[in-house]
Amino acid sequence: NAGVMQNPRHLVRRRGQEARLRCSPMKGHSHVYWYRQLPEEGLKFMVYLQKENIIDESGMPKERFSAEFPKEGPSILRIQQVVRGDSAAYFCASSTDSYEQYFGPGTRLTVT
Amino acid sequence: GENVEQHPSTLSVQEGDSAVIKCTYSDSASNYFPWYKQELGKRPQLIIDIRSNVGEKKDQRIAVTLNKTAKHFSLHITETQPEDSAVYFCAAKKGSGGSYIPTFGRGTSLIVHP
Repeated sequence: NAGVMQNPRHLVRRRGQEARLRCSPMKGHSHVYWYRQLPEEGLKFMVYLQKENIIDESGMPKERFSAEFPKEGPSILRIQQVVRGDSAAYFCASSTDSYEQYFGPGTRLTVT
Repeated sequence: GENVEQHPSTLSVQEGDSAVIKCTYSDSASNYFPWYKQELGKRPQLIIDIRSNVGEKKDQRIAVTLNKTAKHFSLHITETQPEDSAVYFCAAKKGSGGSYIPTFGRGTSLIVHP
């Protein structure tokens, strides 16, 4: 059973470009969570999705950020018009209806 | 909302010593408390968890204790080894299943000196 997959692992974008981060949950997992981690800081919740539904986006910035989890395919976190402050590691995690969340390897976004 | 405080932020021990990391939470409805280990540049990995109907749980050299009355829980690592060096995060979550969001502590950087 493959773990949570994320791609790309590293992404470099110039200011103003779009960043698109992908997350494939573990097989059988229907819940996906996105987190942002700044250097030497904890995990900040961004958004929680189930298939075709955003359940909780209370941690998502109101502008430029969006997320989706379509019926087919991976979950996508999209950041439009990136700025230097968006540079961070972005982790997704997945779970079944149980408590445990399993994390992907992360995407390290660098905005130049 | 839930607030999780984690201490210390850095912990330095000699190989073979024990290490204890403490977390407090604010929402008495929280009922699930996982601990994650994150090595440099890697993903957070679940190492142990405890639910509110249990006071203590052990898995080889690691154990977690929970005091619901005081709203705090702790991670204990015995006979530490250099490979235990990592950042450890606690979290608190309420509700059942995958439908609630965990709140994470800020992390403890554990350094085990050989």
